[in-house]
Amino acid sequence: DQQVKQNSPSLSVQEGRISILNCDYTNSMFDYFLWYKKYPAEGPTFLISISSIKDKNEDGRFTVFLNKSAKHLSLHIVPSQPGDSAVYFCAASAQGQGAQKLVFGQGTRLTINP
Amino acid sequence: DTGVSQNPRHKITKRGQNVTFRCDPISEHNRLYWYRQTLGQGPEFLTYFQNEAQLEKSRLLSDRFSAERPKGSFSTLEIQRTEQGDSAMYLCASSPQGQGAYGYTFGSGTRLTVV
Repeated sequence: DQQVKQNSPSLSVQEGRISILNCDYTNSMFDYFLWYKKYPAEGPTFLISISSIKDKNEDGRFTVFLNKSAKHLSLHIVPSQPGDSAVYFCAASAQGQGAQKLVFGQGTRLTINP
Repeated sequence: DTGVSQNPRHKITKRGQNVTFRCDPISEHNRLYWYRQTLGQGPEFLTYFQNEAQLEKSRLLSDRFSAERPKGSFSTLEIQRTEQGDSAMYLCASSPQGQGAYGYTFGSGTRLTVV
């Protein structure tokens, strides 16, 4: 069963506009959520995270929103830049500070067009 | 520190052969994790170590898979009698004490192709 789902395999956005990547989860025990960015031939790199006690976290051009009632989170990138073109993974963990493993979504390939 | 290092970067093997991958974590990180990523999917958890102790194994880790971290530093992942379904990217991550899933640094992975 896919506990974390990213239903859009790909997304194309014009440079300078907003990119919105979506993620849904089914496990109500998840209490921490992370977004990773992955370039080809590299491992995933951490981008931004959010705890379930918050509904928004912002870091520069990146903002993550969490809607616990809908079990949905989204990553907003504004303004989008060509260097943002990559695969983005949503991930979730349970059990608070004791969490060791992450459950990942399938990823969304973001392409920023000049 | 150069981050998490994985070797080899690519491995092509014939079905039925054994393969071994190595992961060198960030030196001060005591936790080390293995994940597998197949085409079109996100990484899936396989196992993790705290120092030299293997504390959790996924049901994905069949009896053909074995992982070790003998001195609490580098780790090896061995796959015996490889099958075509083992073709995937094998990712290693390490994390410092107390951060667990919140503090991962991933390596660049080993891409395995079983022919």
